[in-house]
Amino acid sequence: EAQVTQNPRYLITVTGKKLTVTCSQNMNHEYMSWYRQDPGLGLRQIYYSMNVEVTDKGDVPEGYKVSRKEKRNFPLILESPSPNQTSLYFCASSLGQGAGGYTFGSGTRLTVV
Amino acid sequence: AQKVTQAQTEISVVEKEDVTLDCVYETRDTTYYLFWYKQPPSGELVFLIRRNSFDEQNEISGRYSWNFQKSTSSFNFTITASQVVDSAVYFCALSSYNNNDMRFGAGTRLTVKP
Repeated sequence: EAQVTQNPRYLITVTGKKLTVTCSQNMNHEYMSWYRQDPGLGLRQIYYSMNVEVTDKGDVPEGYKVSRKEKRNFPLILESPSPNQTSLYFCASSLGQGAGGYTFGSGTRLTVV
Repeated sequence: AQKVTQAQTEISVVEKEDVTLDCVYETRDTTYYLFWYKQPPSGELVFLIRRNSFDEQNEISGRYSWNFQKSTSSFNFTITASQVVDSAVYFCALSSYNNNDMRFGAGTRLTVKP
């Protein structure tokens, strides 16, 4: 089944403790992206990657890192999480230019206390 | 710059009422896609529809219909005879053909009361 898999689905952590949210897609998509969703703000893009070893900042990149060492994986790294990073996170992938939208993962609900 | 505006933050209706969710977008691209997603309380994003900017035909799928009007840059979503299961947050989104970036509106929370 074609899908984007995020792990974990839920995570509660403490301020400053490094964490990684994994994202993997099995569709050989070139384009991958991370979004965060906050009430009243919709989904905002954190980082995106147009291919292996090519990443770029989205609208809200501060406090996040990503890497794209292989086509299928695009982990989101929070080196020193803070409470304002408490949010619902979505990973997404697509074929690329003109693909007309993303396939989204199921989401990761992160709470930083 | 691309922008999607969903002016209705929350809507509450009684079951069987019709309801329209508004979406207005801004883009300089000539080729783009418009989307609607549903987010039920469980949190996942459920794809509802994708529209190419060249195709202005309205679409109907069961109780759902979409009205795409390029002249007013709007892509409104109507639910006919609403049901309690339609209660969710609905997002309108815009994607450029060239860079595939996807911009979302802030969402409209629809509550359908029995």
